[in-house]
Amino acid sequence: AQSVTQLGSHVSVSEGALVLLRCNYSSSVPPYLFWYVQYPNQGLQLLLKYTSAATLVKGINGFEAEFKKSETSFHLTKPSAHMSDAAEYFCAVSERPNAGNMLTFGGGTRLMVKP
Amino acid sequence: GAVVSQHPSRVICKSGTSVKIECRSLDFQATTMFWYRQFPKKSLMLMATSNEGSKATYEQGVEKDKFLINHASLTLSTLTVTSAHPEDSSFYICSAFRMEDGEQYFGPGTRLTVT
Repeated sequence: AQSVTQLGSHVSVSEGALVLLRCNYSSSVPPYLFWYVQYPNQGLQLLLKYTSAATLVKGINGFEAEFKKSETSFHLTKPSAHMSDAAEYFCAVSERPNAGNMLTFGGGTRLMVKP
Repeated sequence: GAVVSQHPSRVICKSGTSVKIECRSLDFQATTMFWYRQFPKKSLMLMATSNEGSKATYEQGVEKDKFLINHASLTLSTLTVTSAHPEDSSFYICSAFRMEDGEQYFGPGTRLTVT
């Protein structure tokens, strides 16, 4: 069985500040990990994914995440927040590298960016 | 890019009636589509996997007679909530799997309110 925990349902940062969204997972098999972003009234959009290659994964919009097996974590970061980054972010885990297999989602983190 | 639409975006229905939600992949064919349910401040929970031309596969605890899924074409899957009750009120999200890149693409969701 797999599960995902996102610490902090709401995160607020100032524009230009570091963004850190936390994700911890539990998996009985080597996990494949994903971060999705959901803007208001839009579908989920894939930000990045880890599929057992490089542990530091770079995604779109300047986001990156690092897979740390020892910590069972896959935290999402961005050096400098923009107002346009305000959205809901979901971490997800799958047993397969492509997302065609079942995804298990975390509870989501709403990122707020203050001017 | 790959686009998935859902219709309607919002629906209000009376208790005891049925409501149909459509999920369409607009610019690609999808043999597999997924239906998720999202409770307030909760993560997305997979309800069922919809396969074109065959019966849907339901997750444990999801009543298949209550949540009817039909995947009659490679671009359309429908979810019908039968005899809806207030506890069925939720945000329903679909996704479509695109073989070309092995990714799931998500619709914008449908807000169902049962009065």
